[in-house]
Amino acid sequence: QLQLQESGPGLVKPSETLSLTCTVSGGSISSSSYYWGWIRQPPGKGLEWIGSIYYSGSTYYNPSLKSRVTISVDTSKNQFSLKLSSVTAADTAVYYCARHWSTIDYWGQGTLVTVSS
Amino acid sequence: EIVLTQSPGTLSLSPGERATLSCRASQSVSSSYLAWYQQKPGQAPRLLIYGASSRATGIPDRFSGSGSGTDFTLTISRLEPEDFAVYYCQQYGSSPPKLTFGGGTKVEIK
Repeated sequence: QLQLQESGPGLVKPSETLSLTCTVSGGSISSSSYYWGWIRQPPGKGLEWIGSIYYSGSTYYNPSLKSRVTISVDTSKNQFSLKLSSVTAADTAVYYCARHWSTIDYWGQGTLVTVSS
Repeated sequence: EIVLTQSPGTLSLSPGERATLSCRASQSVSSSYLAWYQQKPGQAPRLLIYGASSRATGIPDRFSGSGSGTDFTLTISRLEPEDFAVYYCQQYGSSPPKLTFGGGTKVEIK
């Protein structure tokens, strides 16, 4: 059974860079034709796709966040990571990592990241 | 850019009643790439329906999806207590790859 687990700081200061890692277990991140993505959900609000990385390494980002987002993969550790720069309070959200192609079939449990000084 | 609009925002119903949730796209989308998720408080969303009308593994048959083009519907035939949750539709765009979510419909106990 595939499992995804987010990790990283729960508190980030305004203007700094948010960094999260998703560790995949129960399957190889590079062995299948899937995207590995990040989705976020501000408290009490809906879901927003941040971006994804294909198993080959190609990246795709939400145009609204593209200038601040970097997603990378470390196949040796079976992990992929998110970096979101110049954060503000509006970036406070639960951040989920997920596996998808046209639909998301596996989700991490989510991690709350609060942007505050 | 495709926008998904879900209605109503909140649906107040009693157990045993039928729930009909709407997802309208700003332009035609492929039925193959339209999905529905259920989210309960404190949990990650769970895939219910993919390809507009196919139930995901383990999803009860009281959940059904339909629609095409710009109008899609999720129907829960008889609400069970565990069905009270928020439901999201999602569309996949392939060129370039992108996921788009609707704003969600909350199904609450009346």
